[in-house]
Amino acid sequence: DAKTTQPTSMDCAEGRAANLPCNHSTISGNEYVYWYRQIHSQGPQYIIHGLKNNETNEMASLIITEDRKSSTLILPHATLRDTAVYYCIVRYRSNDYKLSFGAGTTVTVRA
Amino acid sequence: NAGVMQNPRHLVRRRGQEARLRCSPMKGHSHVYWYRQLPEEGLKFMVYLQKENIIDESGMPKERFSAEFPKEGPSILRIQQVVRGDSAAYFCASSPPVDGRDYNEQFFGPGTRLTVL
Repeated sequence: DAKTTQPTSMDCAEGRAANLPCNHSTISGNEYVYWYRQIHSQGPQYIIHGLKNNETNEMASLIITEDRKSSTLILPHATLRDTAVYYCIVRYRSNDYKLSFGAGTTVTVRA
Repeated sequence: NAGVMQNPRHLVRRRGQEARLRCSPMKGHSHVYWYRQLPEEGLKFMVYLQKENIIDESGMPKERFSAEFPKEGPSILRIQQVVRGDSAAYFCASSPPVDGRDYNEQFFGPGTRLTVL
């Protein structure tokens, strides 16, 4: 399943913003962009999702390009506890309950 | 509101034994999903259940694996006659009832790590 493409890994300095890109060039009009993360030895944690507009919650911001072919997850002030594998997923909300987790981006936050 | 609970967190079984994994969904959630994560791989969907119903088991191995979500009590993933290849992390997720036409976000438990000796 090659619906999304993410970099394999990235480093980020503690206290700085972490910008995680995701390409989803074949996304359809009814598919949402979802982000989850998995901290080592834990279950995946829902972060945020969006359709067209940029979204923000207490954890992160999601910026979706106007053509919807790519998006960026922004962790505004990365902490060591944000070190995790981040997964970008596209899915239909109306009939798509099988979340498909690819390799994701391994983010390492360094002090 | 307690999150999704899974137990045990770690389970060791010898080849040929049975493994029973339990999942209690978040309060108010009536949909349960099981995923398996093999070492160094991403999570793969196994089965989707609602109370007393298996909705989709297309990701379940055809033999030895079964799942249930009874009217009362937790959802159970059962693996009979375990083999070494069953060693993996098994995650349960739950979600609220479908909102109109839309499936809601899934919230995951901490997982059960099964080791088959």
